[in-house]
Amino acid sequence: QLQLQESGPGLVKPSETLSLTCILSGGSISSRNHYWGWIRQPPGQALEWVGSIYHTGSIYYNPSLKGRVRVLLDTSKNQFSLNLYSVTAADTAVYFCARGGATNSFELWGQGTLVTVSA
Amino acid sequence: DIQMTQSPSTLSAFVGDRVTITCRASQSVSTWLAWYQQKPGKAPKLLISEASTLEGGVPSRFSGSGSGTEFTLTISSLQPDDFATYYCQQYNRFCTFGGGTKVE
Repeated sequence: QLQLQESGPGLVKPSETLSLTCILSGGSISSRNHYWGWIRQPPGQALEWVGSIYHTGSIYYNPSLKGRVRVLLDTSKNQFSLNLYSVTAADTAVYFCARGGATNSFELWGQGTLVTVSA
Repeated sequence: DIQMTQSPSTLSAFVGDRVTITCRASQSVSTWLAWYQQKPGKAPKLLISEASTLEGGVPSRFSGSGSGTEFTLTISSLQPDDFATYYCQQYNRFCTFGGGTKVE
């Protein structure tokens, strides 16, 4: 069964780095027909796209994150990761990983993981 | 950056009602527009891609239309399972979500 699962610390201190991993089971993350993305949702707020990575190596980030974000693909482990640097309380959110396809929409989602930024 | 504006932000309706949600883009996104349904504590679910293509398993009471800068999601006859928040999303190299419409 095709599934995405996020993992990582649920609590990060201000100014530190938020690091999450998303592992794909039941399929290959090397698929040429898909790309991989991170989307976040602050409590009670709307969805916000964080970034996407393609098998070609192309990576796109939300400009509002101003260079604080990095997404990596690890085909050997069938997973991709998110690093968000210099976090503040405004980065507190549920972080979802997702798979995008040819229709440029996110067709498969992880369950999401809550990350709280607090001292 | 392309901004996506959804209206209304909240919609009150009854079972059986026809419901329409609008999404406007600040510039043309062609038909690179998707609609999602999200229930509390759950991940979003893709309903419609490319503005009007219904995803597999999604009931036919859902439909999408539009191109360019104006799009609509219509639920022809609201069912109890449809009370949720709906988001539009555009793709134009970068990705942007609308602010959401809560159907209550």
